[in-house]
Amino acid sequence: AQTVTQSQPEMSVQEAETVTLSCTYDTSESDYYLFWYKQPPSRQMILVIRQEAYKQQNATENRFSVNFQKAAKSFSLKISDSQLGDAAMYFCAYRNNAGGTSYGKLTFGQGTILTVHP
Amino acid sequence: ETGVTQTPRHLVMGMTNKKSLKCEQHLGHNAMYWYKQSAKKPLELMFVYSLEERVENNSVPSRFSPECPNSSHLFLHLHTLQPEDSALYLCASSSMNPGNTIYFGEGSWLTVV
Repeated sequence: AQTVTQSQPEMSVQEAETVTLSCTYDTSESDYYLFWYKQPPSRQMILVIRQEAYKQQNATENRFSVNFQKAAKSFSLKISDSQLGDAAMYFCAYRNNAGGTSYGKLTFGQGTILTVHP
Repeated sequence: ETGVTQTPRHLVMGMTNKKSLKCEQHLGHNAMYWYKQSAKKPLELMFVYSLEERVENNSVPSRFSPECPNSSHLFLHLHTLQPEDSALYLCASSSMNPGNTIYFGEGSWLTVV
């Protein structure tokens, strides 16, 4: 079974600074997807960024980027120029594509609470 | 607004009540999901429906009963719940391609008293 581990229950960052959230996962599959979701106090899960395992290039979305290390099974999220609106719970998630399954389920990590200080 | 709407947003029910959570998606997706989010636990997948057919049931107690009448609607029927079932229940939807994003609703807060 796949597992996702976020070893940092809480992180904090000063506004305009950079912070990195860690995520490791365990899988025997080679074809899968990784995601970072953000859950603000409203509780809605919002996709931040996604990475296809077969792509070596790290995904970026504006101030958000990932460091994907497939061999190490590591998938960290870097937030640059942090803003107050970035404060939220961040979840790392895994979704496999084994056997051409026509749907995919997400396996989530425990989450990291990010606090942004003005 | 992500195109996935859940009602009610908050629900308080007694252990002998019967209630339902409703989810509607306006994204043209054909897979829908129920997740449970409890305090201090990772999100847990409860049910998956693909093309209105249940394809996964992760050992969820029978007091939770899902229903998917069409590809746009998903229900979670609740009866004789326990206090430990109090949690945030998140509905989500996606297209059939596993690489596509799963979109979540805002969740329904359930308190069992």
